[in-house]
Amino acid sequence: DGGITQSPKYLFRKEGQNVTLSCEQNLNHDAMYWYRQDPGQGLRLIYYSQIVNDFQKGDIAEGYSVSREKKESFPLTVTSAQKNPTAFYLCASSWLASGGANIQYFGAGTRLSVL
Amino acid sequence: SQQGEEDPQALSIQEGENATMNCSYKTSINNLQWYRQNSGRGLVHLILIRSNEREKHSGRLRVTLDTSKKSSSLLITASRAADTASYFCATVSMVYSGGGADGLTFGKGTHLIIQP
Repeated sequence: DGGITQSPKYLFRKEGQNVTLSCEQNLNHDAMYWYRQDPGQGLRLIYYSQIVNDFQKGDIAEGYSVSREKKESFPLTVTSAQKNPTAFYLCASSWLASGGANIQYFGAGTRLSVL
Repeated sequence: SQQGEEDPQALSIQEGENATMNCSYKTSINNLQWYRQNSGRGLVHLILIRSNEREKHSGRLRVTLDTSKKSSSLLITASRAADTASYFCATVSMVYSGGGADGLTFGKGTHLIIQP
């Protein structure tokens, strides 16, 4: 997990509530990513960012929002529009690399549940 | 949609035996990576193999890549109890790998259990 800190480890959301998951890295990586993992499934990309103040949608961005105001931080907000938010959320970071050889370093994850 | 599919979904072997996992993918790739995930934890990168490579070794790990069949295999030799984890292959489609950051596309993983 080293170098990437996700908080909180567990999070509970009430109906209609927005919640924000924190991700901080001290690896000086340019790129950061958010993935969602459902039980028994692989990871699906929500959003990613290559540079401060810029980010791109991944495969399942609906109902989520992000910001990248600092290189070290890439918080994810799960909005009330996300109707099935219960999942394990993983943040990752990497160097920018040509040819797609971006080895990613992951945080320990945040488990989000709906009350 | 998920790019890679691992096979088998679950594998249970005795400590000391070799474990082989396979991954198939759909589109042309620039490279393929394997990651390990211990239960309830983040993923850890194991090995990367580029599309122009056929085999790569790292310690007890051996990865092969067959781009004509769009498949890869991960072999763990002399397995240990600590190898118990889920193993995922991940790819970046050549369509998107023009440089910079690209989100990885993961398969559903193989859950490996090493019996002591």
